[in-house]
Amino acid sequence: AQSVTQPDIHITVSEGASLELRCNYSYGATPYLFWYVQSPGQGLQLLLKYFSGDTLVQGIKGFEAEFKRSQSSFNLRKPSVHWSDAAEYFCAVNNNDMRFGAGTRLTVKP
Amino acid sequence: DTAVSQTPKYLVTQMGNDKSIKCEQNLGHDTMYWYKQDSKKFLKIMFSYNNKELIINETVPNRFSPKSPDKAHLNLHINSLELGDSAVYFCASSQYTSGGPSVETQYFGPGTRLLVL
Repeated sequence: AQSVTQPDIHITVSEGASLELRCNYSYGATPYLFWYVQSPGQGLQLLLKYFSGDTLVQGIKGFEAEFKRSQSSFNLRKPSVHWSDAAEYFCAVNNNDMRFGAGTRLTVKP
Repeated sequence: DTAVSQTPKYLVTQMGNDKSIKCEQNLGHDTMYWYKQDSKKFLKIMFSYNNKELIINETVPNRFSPKSPDKAHLNLHINSLELGDSAVYFCASSQYTSGGPSVETQYFGPGTRLLVL
């Protein structure tokens, strides 16, 4: 069955530390991949997306993600986390209809 | 300025009532969606409309009825509300491209937090 997995339910990092949020998908072909962020009480904001081409994509707010076909992964990274990055992060895959992962909640320690 | 807007932002109501949530987008998109986010933050698509026609209708109770008066609006009407309907409902929109729905980026509204008592 087609699925999107975010293995980490909750991650805590210190401000200034690097961050990697994991996302794995299970689809027959290469799907189209997205990362969204949801701040507390807010809607979803698109961080970045991958359709084709360069497997390292840059997004807003200093985020980037790398598509690795061999690992069926699309992990989100940021070299230095800011306190304002605390939020829920959703990986999504679009293969004619959008499927979201369960989300990873990011806590940032001072 | 708001690209995708929803009203109301919060909705508290009694079981058995009928309520509507409105969604409007000013992006000129021709496809709109409704998603439900449950208490565990899991997002699931409910409906998709393209040019006012229903495209996706996932397995949702028929108490939920979307209505699209024009391609900028997609409202969600819920009859006989139940406790399990408590959730955050997100509207989204995207623009058709020749690449198909998979390459269409969806833009989300701020959500409507529904609480059924």
